[in-house]
Amino acid sequence: DSGVTQTPKHLITATGQRVTLRCSPRSGDLSVYWYQQSLDQGLQFLIQYYNGEERAKGNILERFSAQQFPDLHSELNLSSLELGDSALYFCASSVGQNSYNEQFFGPGTRLTVL
Amino acid sequence: TQLLEQSPQFLSIQEGENLTVYCNSSSVFSSLQWYRQEPGEGPVLLVTVVTGGEVKKLKRLTFQFGDARKDSSLHITAAQPGDTGLYLCAGLEYGNKLVFGAGTILRVKS
Repeated sequence: DSGVTQTPKHLITATGQRVTLRCSPRSGDLSVYWYQQSLDQGLQFLIQYYNGEERAKGNILERFSAQQFPDLHSELNLSSLELGDSALYFCASSVGQNSYNEQFFGPGTRLTVL
Repeated sequence: TQLLEQSPQFLSIQEGENLTVYCNSSSVFSSLQWYRQEPGEGPVLLVTVVTGGEVKKLKRLTFQFGDARKDSSLHITAAQPGDTGLYLCAGLEYGNKLVFGAGTILRVKS
């Protein structure tokens, strides 16, 4: 158990819909990272927040957005969903703001878009 | 975005055999990490290498960072069924982003 929690574990929805994925970092960690893992693209970095502020941005689509709240939990919002958005979405957390720091990954949310 | 190529994509070996997984790029990374991921779980960090030519050992696992910091290898000695999983390398790119390789699926048969 990494100490990072993600909900829900599974999510099935239809194209065009909007969903919210939630992540609670390890106690004491200030950084939250979001990743997408799919068979064709592998594990891809989406976005990082550090203490409530956006720190780094990766290959995140405009239809996707994220935020980190004062209690440090984070949400990833996915809108206008397409079939290709079906994937595993991982949240990770670390103490510092540098990606060099060890990141602890949650168990992931499996999103299926039908 | 810099690219990391991993090889082989899939490896199936008998318990007790040795194996090496490679991670290559045409770009330089400031550091490189190796992760192991099991089905239904998130990746778990095994090691971070920072200095060109660096070698780190973790029990039966040996990690090496190339002199030019463009490539890395993971060598497992006397593989065991518990080593089965997906091995991912990840390079730290400019802008504080981790770039992951596609991964090597290792299956160790008893």
